[in-house]
Amino acid sequence: GQNIDQPTEMTATEGAIVQINCTYQTSGFNGLFWYQQHAGEAPTFLSYNVLDGLEEKGRFSSFLSRSKGYSYLLLKELQMKDSASYLCAVMSNFGNEKLTFGTGTRLTIIP
Amino acid sequence: DVKVTQSSRYLVKRTGEKVFLECVQDMDHENMFWYRQDPGLGLRLIYFSYDVKMKEKGDIPEGYSVSREKKERFSLILESASTNQTSMYLCASSSLTGRGYTFGSGTRLTVV
Repeated sequence: GQNIDQPTEMTATEGAIVQINCTYQTSGFNGLFWYQQHAGEAPTFLSYNVLDGLEEKGRFSSFLSRSKGYSYLLLKELQMKDSASYLCAVMSNFGNEKLTFGTGTRLTIIP
Repeated sequence: DVKVTQSSRYLVKRTGEKVFLECVQDMDHENMFWYRQDPGLGLRLIYFSYDVKMKEKGDIPEGYSVSREKKERFSLILESASTNQTSMYLCASSSLTGRGYTFGSGTRLTVV
């Protein structure tokens, strides 16, 4: 089966750094995705990791360790607009691109 | 700007009604997906399609069917709506590049 775990809620301070963890156990692995979802809106793509290591994109970075079944999303210089849910998703089979999602982490940024 | 368009943002239907949710993408993507999103449960896959007239069951297909007669359009059908199908429904599409999905804006369906 597929199992993806991430914390339900996190709180962080404006200007600070926050790390959102995701662990997964899936039958097959062809990449891990992070999406951002503001309340009432559709998820939007943040990052994609298929090889071990860190991918940096502006204020956001994503890390993957395939041997540990572990990823994290790192958000730096937090802004109020970063308050959102962050979804971790795993692609098990490249052929059909089906994604299995975690339940999401609701991040609240406080002044 | 590439788009996935869902026909309705909000819908209210009665128990037992047949409900059609429409999704259209303009990116010539092969794959299309229907998910529902519920608090505490995350996104769960209902059905997906990787080609015209092809469909595959996802994790929770019971009570739903789909239609893909044209590449750009993927419809979700609730044969006889029930209150436990009240949810946010999200359509997505992707190409065979491993770059993930583009989502539609979602349809919030309430069955009363």
